[in-house]
Amino acid sequence: QQQVKQSPQSLIVQKGGISIINCAYENTAFDYFPWYQQFPGKGPALLIAIRPDVSEKKEGRFTISFNKSAKQFSLHIMDSQPGDSATYFCAASMADSWGKFQFGAGTQVVVTP
Amino acid sequence: GAVVSQHPSRVICKSGTSVKIECRSLDFQATTMFWYRQFPKQSLMLMATSNEGSKATYEQGVEKDKFLINHASLTLSTLTVTSAHPEDSSFYICSARDRSNTGELFFGEGSRLTVL
Repeated sequence: QQQVKQSPQSLIVQKGGISIINCAYENTAFDYFPWYQQFPGKGPALLIAIRPDVSEKKEGRFTISFNKSAKQFSLHIMDSQPGDSATYFCAASMADSWGKFQFGAGTQVVVTP
Repeated sequence: GAVVSQHPSRVICKSGTSVKIECRSLDFQATTMFWYRQFPKQSLMLMATSNEGSKATYEQGVEKDKFLINHASLTLSTLTVTSAHPEDSSFYICSARDRSNTGELFFGEGSRLTVL
C-alpha cells in the first residue's frame, strides 16, 4: 500500500511553462517532505524539502506548497526548461525514522522546446 | 559536497551466483544507510535500514537471506544478492545519513544488476 500518492504519472509542458505535481499522504506522523529529481540511470537528487510548520518554500524556480489540513503538498516548477525533463518523486519521512522515506510513484516530466 | 558512492554501477551475472554491491560515504560518517530497489519506470521501494555495528532492519516482504546487508564501518554498507535470479534484476540505490548534527541524507548513483 503506497503511503504517498503522487499525480500525474506523466506531464508534458512547453518551455517556459509551469509544471505542477501533486502528492497526498495519510500518515500524520510524517514531518518531512522532500522532492527528488531523477535522471535515467542515476540516483535521485534532492531538489527541495519542507516541514509541516510552513505552507510554502521557494528555492529558485522550484516551489513547494504544503496544506497540512488537507495532507497534500505540491511541487511547482516555474519557467520550465528542457533540462528539467526528468522523473520527479515526492517523499515523506517521520522524525523518529529520519531518512527512511516513503516515495510517491513518480512523475515523468517532459519539457518541449 | 558530500558524496555517496556505489560500486559497481553496473553488473551482469549468471543465475545462481551472488553479487555484492558497496555503498560508501566518501566524506562523512554514516551510522545509518538505507537500501532501495527500483524497477524500470517505477518508484523506489525501501528494502532495509542498515545500522553500523548491528543487524539490518528489513521491510516487510524482503527476504533477509536473499539480500544480505552488512554495515561494517561508519563509511561502508554492502548489499549481497545471494543466488541471484533474473527476477532480482533491478536498480539498487543506497542512501546514507550524515551522523553529524545536520543529519543530511545523500543518495548514491545506483547499481544496475542484470541477472542472465
